[in-house]
Amino acid sequence: DTGVSQNPRHKITKRGQNVTFRCDPISEHNRLYWYRQTLGQGPEFLTYFQNEAQLEKSRLLSDRFSAERPKGSFSTLEIQRTEQGDSAMYLCASSHRTEHTGELFFGEGSRLTVL
Amino acid sequence: KNQVEQSPQSLIILEGKNCTLQCNYTVSPFSNLRWYKQDTGRGPVSLTIMTFSENTKSNGRYTATLDADTKQSSLHITASQLSDSASYICVVSGGSSNTGKLIFGQGTTLQVKP
Repeated sequence: DTGVSQNPRHKITKRGQNVTFRCDPISEHNRLYWYRQTLGQGPEFLTYFQNEAQLEKSRLLSDRFSAERPKGSFSTLEIQRTEQGDSAMYLCASSHRTEHTGELFFGEGSRLTVL
Repeated sequence: KNQVEQSPQSLIILEGKNCTLQCNYTVSPFSNLRWYKQDTGRGPVSLTIMTFSENTKSNGRYTATLDADTKQSSLHITASQLSDSASYICVVSGGSSNTGKLIFGQGTTLQVKP
């Protein structure tokens, strides 16, 4: 399977714990995006990388959230001191062109439930 | 404000019937418009991408139309199947930032019943 891979697919955690999600994009794609999606809503942009550089962050990305893409390949999204409001599906997507024109391929998502 | 609005919010149809989903947007400047299908608990999958100059684009039983003048798009599904049950999300690419933004609609939830 050469699509975008995300893990874990599901994570249940207690409030206050830290969680980390991993995304492996399609290998030749240099652009990687993180989105958050809550039930009944469309995905909301969180952050975007071109190679290893984090070029844009949404205001939704509070200081408890941090994303990295250290070698320009896989990326991690860490949430510290989780809150119940963090419960959502976290989607990763990759593209080899600009978001404007390039096809965006999504992973299956990582569903977070904070108890 | 850049927005994408979809209607209806949800729709139930019988297998074999056709349906049309609507998308209105206020994104400027406009780059392209995409329709995605998202099965429950899965990631979105692209159906079509249309640029300013394209009025219609088909992908199997899915046909998308775009009217850039009125800033409206529709997704027509022909001869629906049970597997068409999903959320359909309209996404507009544009905005004024250097990297651009994909602005997502809230989606239309389609349920196809036997």
